[in-house]
Amino acid sequence: AQTVTQSQPEMSVQEAETVTLSCTYDTSESDYYLFWYKQPPSRQMILVIRQEAYKQQNATENRFSVNFQKAAKSFSLKISDSQLGDAAMYFCAYRSTNTGNQFYFGTGTSLTVIP
Amino acid sequence: DVKVTQSSRYLVKRTGEKVFLECVQDMDHENMFWYRQDPGLGLRLIYFSYDVKMKEKGDIPEGYSVSREKKERFSLILESASTNQTSMYLCASSFVPGRYSNQPQHFGDGTRLSIL
Repeated sequence: AQTVTQSQPEMSVQEAETVTLSCTYDTSESDYYLFWYKQPPSRQMILVIRQEAYKQQNATENRFSVNFQKAAKSFSLKISDSQLGDAAMYFCAYRSTNTGNQFYFGTGTSLTVIP
Repeated sequence: DVKVTQSSRYLVKRTGEKVFLECVQDMDHENMFWYRQDPGLGLRLIYFSYDVKMKEKGDIPEGYSVSREKKERFSLILESASTNQTSMYLCASSFVPGRYSNQPQHFGDGTRLSIL
C-alpha cells in the first residue's frame, strides 16, 4: 500500500499571509493522482485541488496552488492571502491511475488562521 | 453536484447494541467507502465496495461488517458496539480507476457516533 505522510500536525498563519502545507508519499508507480482535501470544523470534506502525476505544470485554483516534485515524491499546498474561512483540517491523498480502488490519506494538518 | 448522504449526523448507542450507519450516493459511483476518523490518526479505511454485493476489507475491519445490496447504498454495521468504536465515521464514493481516475472521492457529512 502507498504511504502518504503529512509531517505537520498543526500550522498557523496570519490572515492575508501565505502558508505552505507539506505532503510526501511513497510509491513505485509512475502514473497517479494527488489530491488536497479541506475539512472545516463540523463540516464536509471537500476537494481543494488535484494534480495529475504526468503533468509537469503545478495545479492552481485561485488562492490555492501546489508544488509538485515528482522525483522527490513531494506535493505541498500553498495558500496565498489566507482567510479566516481557510481554517480547517487539510488532508493529502494519493490514488493510482489504473490499479486499485483505494485512496490513501495522510494524517492531516490542522490550519489555524490568526486574525 | 455529487451528493453523499449519511443517515445521521450524531448517534448515541449503548455497548453491545447492533448499530447501522447508512450511506446513499446519487452519482452512480461504482466505489463506496467507509472510513473512521480519529484525532491524530487521519482517515482509516474500514471497508470498501466496488460493486453491488462486493466488498473488501480495509485497514481496520475488525468489529465491523458492511452491506451493499444496491449500487447507491452502502451500510456499515457494528455487530456489537464497544466503547472503542466511538468515533467519527465518514462515507465516500468514487468512480473506479481508469477513465475517471482524476475524479476525487466525494464525502458525506460524517456521523459522530458515541458508544456509552
